[in-house]
Amino acid sequence: EVQLVESGGGLVQPGGSLRLSCAASGFPFSHYSMNWVRLAPGKGLEWLSDISTSSGTIYYADSVRGRFTISRDNAKNSLYLQMSSLRAEDTAVYYCARDSHTIDGMDVWGHGTTVIVSS
Amino acid sequence: EIVLTQSPATLSLSPGERATLSCWASQSVSSFLAWYQQKPGQAPRLLIYDASNRAPGIPARFSGSGSGTDFTLTISSLEPEDFAVYYCQQRSNWPPYTFGRGTKLEIK
Repeated sequence: EVQLVESGGGLVQPGGSLRLSCAASGFPFSHYSMNWVRLAPGKGLEWLSDISTSSGTIYYADSVRGRFTISRDNAKNSLYLQMSSLRAEDTAVYYCARDSHTIDGMDVWGHGTTVIVSS
Repeated sequence: EIVLTQSPATLSLSPGERATLSCWASQSVSSFLAWYQQKPGQAPRLLIYDASNRAPGIPARFSGSGSGTDFTLTISSLEPEDFAVYYCQQRSNWPPYTFGRGTKLEIK
């Protein structure tokens, strides 16, 4: 079964750091570009970052550039998001999502991990 | 950055009715537009890609149309499981892959 499972969310104080993980299974992870997307309370989906198959190309949304770092370990079938200088507005459910090879969209999503930034 | 505007913010309809959701782009995205469905507590699901193509496994009652700046998602006859939030996403000029703010489709 094709699956993405996020972990690493939790409660963190403003200014703190957190590392999210996304474990992939059921497909050749190293062949796919991957994304992080979040859903904040009362808001819509927000794309955060994209990483190519070999990590050679990485993009960030302006809202997280310089604070968040995306990375991947193809040997471990895992995607990561290192988050630092966290703010209250970073409170959200964080999803990892796969870029499809055959159609132009994100075709596989995890169920998300919740990050709460609060003192 | 391309801004996507979705309308209405909330749509109240009954099962069996037809739903029409709109998405406007601040500049042309050609046909590089996708639609996603998200139910509470669940992951988003890709419904439509390239403005009018159904993703694998998506029922035929879902259809997309439009190009340039004006797009529509139509659900021909609402099933109880269709009540959810729907997002459009542009995939033309990125980064960023912008999403609209969403349309909540609720039971009337």
